[in-house]
Amino acid sequence: DARVTQTPRHKVTEMGQEVTMRCQPILGHNTVFWYRQTMMQGLELLAYFRNRAPLDDSGMPKDRFSAEMPDATLATLKIQPSEPRDSAVYFCASGLVRLSSGNTIYFGEGSWLTVV
Amino acid sequence: QKEVEQNSGPLSVPEGAIASLNCTYSDRGSQSFFWYRQYSGKSPELIMFIYSNGDKEDGRFTAQLNKASQYVSLLIRDSQPSDSATYLCAVNNRDSNYQLIWGAGTKLIIKP
Repeated sequence: DARVTQTPRHKVTEMGQEVTMRCQPILGHNTVFWYRQTMMQGLELLAYFRNRAPLDDSGMPKDRFSAEMPDATLATLKIQPSEPRDSAVYFCASGLVRLSSGNTIYFGEGSWLTVV
Repeated sequence: QKEVEQNSGPLSVPEGAIASLNCTYSDRGSQSFFWYRQYSGKSPELIMFIYSNGDKEDGRFTAQLNKASQYVSLLIRDSQPSDSATYLCAVNNRDSNYQLIWGAGTKLIIKP
């Protein structure tokens, strides 16, 4: 049963600490997304990659957030330094782009981050 | 600014009735349309996708697409309490690199 795997599932950290979230996309998928979801904002796109190349990270605060895809099986989202306003659930999703049908993406279970 | 609009709800429907969820989009070039269901505290899960005008049925779910009017809807027949969730509409476009544009979601409550 192929699925997107995210770690950690839950993280509580103090303001100013570095947070790294990891994602293993579904094998064979060529597109990976990082989303943030809060009650107030809904799903916000932070960054996405196609064939490991970053396509759009305009939704990501560049001063503290960074996203990378060091290989096809791992995507990372890093926050340094973390702030209380970063408290949210962070979803990774992966998909396979087909010219005929675009993206159908599948979500991981999310990383629930609380910054105190 | 490409937008996807959904009524935030909550939409309350009696058990056994048909629940109708609607979504409108601004980009006429949109090509693929998706419905995701998200239970509280869980991640979104894909219910259906549709590319062509008309209806697409899958069990109790029917997606309807009208590109001329720029709306897509999701009908849930014989609604069950387990259908209570937030339903997210998403749209993508080849010209924008298949980036998905998301609606804010409609909260659906099925009352026993």
